[in-house]
Amino acid sequence: SQTIHQWPATLVQPVGSPLSLECTVEGTSNPNLYWYRQAAGRGLQLLFYSVGIGQISSEVPQNLSASRPQDRQFILSSKKLLLSDSGFYLCAGGQGVSPLHFGNGTRLTVT
Amino acid sequence: KNEVEQSPQNLTAQEGEFITINCSYSVGISALHWLQQHPGGGIVSLFMLSSGKKKHGRLIATINIQEKHSSLHITASHPRDSAVYICAVGGTSGSRLTFGEGTQLTVNP
Repeated sequence: SQTIHQWPATLVQPVGSPLSLECTVEGTSNPNLYWYRQAAGRGLQLLFYSVGIGQISSEVPQNLSASRPQDRQFILSSKKLLLSDSGFYLCAGGQGVSPLHFGNGTRLTVT
Repeated sequence: KNEVEQSPQNLTAQEGEFITINCSYSVGISALHWLQQHPGGGIVSLFMLSSGKKKHGRLIATINIQEKHSSLHITASHPRDSAVYICAVGGTSGSRLTFGEGTQLTVNP
């Protein structure tokens, strides 16, 4: 079955520093991959989704970007973090309307 | 108005009680997901529904496509069921989910 690996689990970064969160997928090929953010006390917000290598759709304009260099790798990046980027970031994978699998998340605190 | 509305936002129950969490949506969907988020943040997919009813252990999920409504039921609730339960609906494109705000469930022993 599909497994989503996401790291790191927690991260504390200063304002203005770069960010790179990595997500990899096991157990399936050509998955749809998603990055979600959950701000404190809020629901999940879709940031990016990808249906294949090099194909990225952005849902919310912001200073984050995503890349998919390989079929099973999805990376969330920022050149300069803002305080408002703090939150809980989740990577998820699925195929079409199949059940989604989620990584364990990364709790990012920007100080 | 949010596209996905969950109720209640918070729910406290005594161990053994029957629990119902509701989800209403306003967009056309191809599937509805019920998710469980543990205190550490990790999320587990409980059910994916496109019609009818599904059961897994003490959990039951139902969906009424005509009424655009789904319910998650927990029978014989237990403190380990304490978590945030999230409803998410998938559009007809299949690639985008809209999430509800979640229901915080606390089951007391």
